Amino acid sequence: AQSVAQPEDQVNVAEGNPLTVKCTYSVSGNPYLFWYVQYPNRGLQFLLKYITGDNLVKGSYGFEAEFNKSQTSFHLKKPSALVSDSALYFCAVRDFNNAGNMLTFGGGTRLMVKP
Amino acid sequence: NAGVTQTPKFQVLKTGQSMTLQCAQDMNHEYMSWYRQDPGMGLRLIHYSVGAGITDQGEVPNGYNVSRSTTEDFPLRLLSAAPSQTSVYFCASSGPPGRVRITEAFFGQGTRLTVV
Repeated sequence: AQSVAQPEDQVNVAEGNPLTVKCTYSVSGNPYLFWYVQYPNRGLQFLLKYITGDNLVKGSYGFEAEFNKSQTSFHLKKPSALVSDSALYFCAVRDFNNAGNMLTFGGGTRLMVKP
Repeated sequence: NAGVTQTPKFQVLKTGQSMTLQCAQDMNHEYMSWYRQDPGMGLRLIHYSVGAGITDQGEVPNGYNVSRSTTEDFPLRLLSAAPSQTSVYFCASSGPPGRVRITEAFFGQGTRLTVV
């Protein structure tokens, strides 16, 4: 069975500072990894994905994530946080080798960026 | 290009009532799924479908039924609503894994359901 862990319920960061939202995963095969963001009363919006290739993936709104196979991690990062980045962030995984497999989500991390 | 459309956006039900949450996508995606979102628990998979006529259970299927008669539509039915089903429901669609071009899942705006 696959699983995703987001160890921090909330991350607080000052505007202009770098941010990191942590994610670790477990799958039996090769992973597809995703980050989604959810603003209040909205659906989930896709930020970025790792499929294969370069371990550093760049996505929307200046976000990037680093895939680390040995640590089974896919942490979300941004060099300089904005107040407007405050939202709920979800990490998700799919198993490359399982054709019937759906996304499994982590519990979410609330990012609070303070002016 | 509407993407994934869910209706209704809000619904209040009495315990024991039934209803159907509608989901439609216009991206010709083979995969569709239903999730529920509860505080602190992320999104949990209820049911999913890998193509028209094919459905399967996810992590929390009890109390819900689905069908997939067309590629576009994937309704979720609550046969006898219970307060434990109070949640926000999201429908998603995507292409299958293993393809050269992998698509991410696209989500609807959600249905906020309250069962009293």
